[in-house]
Amino acid sequence: RKEVEQDPGPFNVPEGATVAFNCTYSNSASQSFFWYRQDCRKEPKLLMSVYSSGNEDGRFTAQLNRASQYISLLIRDSKLSDSATYLCVVDSNYQLIWGAGTKLIIKP
Amino acid sequence: ETGVTQTPRHLVMGMTNKKSLKCEQHLGHNAMYWYKQSAKKPLELMFVYSLEERVENNSVPSRFSPECPNSSHLFLHLHTLQPEDSALYLCASSQEQTGGGGGELFFGEGSRLTVL
Repeated sequence: RKEVEQDPGPFNVPEGATVAFNCTYSNSASQSFFWYRQDCRKEPKLLMSVYSSGNEDGRFTAQLNRASQYISLLIRDSKLSDSATYLCVVDSNYQLIWGAGTKLIIKP
Repeated sequence: ETGVTQTPRHLVMGMTNKKSLKCEQHLGHNAMYWYKQSAKKPLELMFVYSLEERVENNSVPSRFSPECPNSSHLFLHLHTLQPEDSALYLCASSQEQTGGGGGELFFGEGSRLTVL
């Protein structure tokens, strides 16, 4: 089993729709969780950290489910500019473990 | 505009060549990293430097040789590479070494390497 697993997609979603991704992790002792965004031919950039209580930043909501060992990212009212690859990152045993990413394509 | 700059952005080299990738961070961070990104694969950590000392080497082949002369600069020296080493090489920095809840990573735009 991969340490951090994501559905590679692509998710093809119409503009204005709501889309959600999950990311599962194998190490139950993992402490910190993040979502990064990577545009085509660009570098990854931090989108948001994921807190135990869940957190929201505008149209983006991140949730952590420790019992089932997954984190989720919800994007509401999706925009064309949300098209990117979303990378799940887990801090496990003092190392950052990266998922391979979920590709999102927003269509007009 | 990124606080981490990488050169060259693109590099094509033969298997017998020697080349170097350069990274410079303008953020005053204490930790710097080299990552390898291959298509449809997770980022692979290659090297970590904290306060100019190498703290981690994830069993990277010796044909990759890092150098960190100061906290702002990081190099990756390449020699006798293989075609499977073709990938995007990303440099990153952070305020402190990540892990244990460490901070955000800031990436450069990457150096896309093709080995013929």
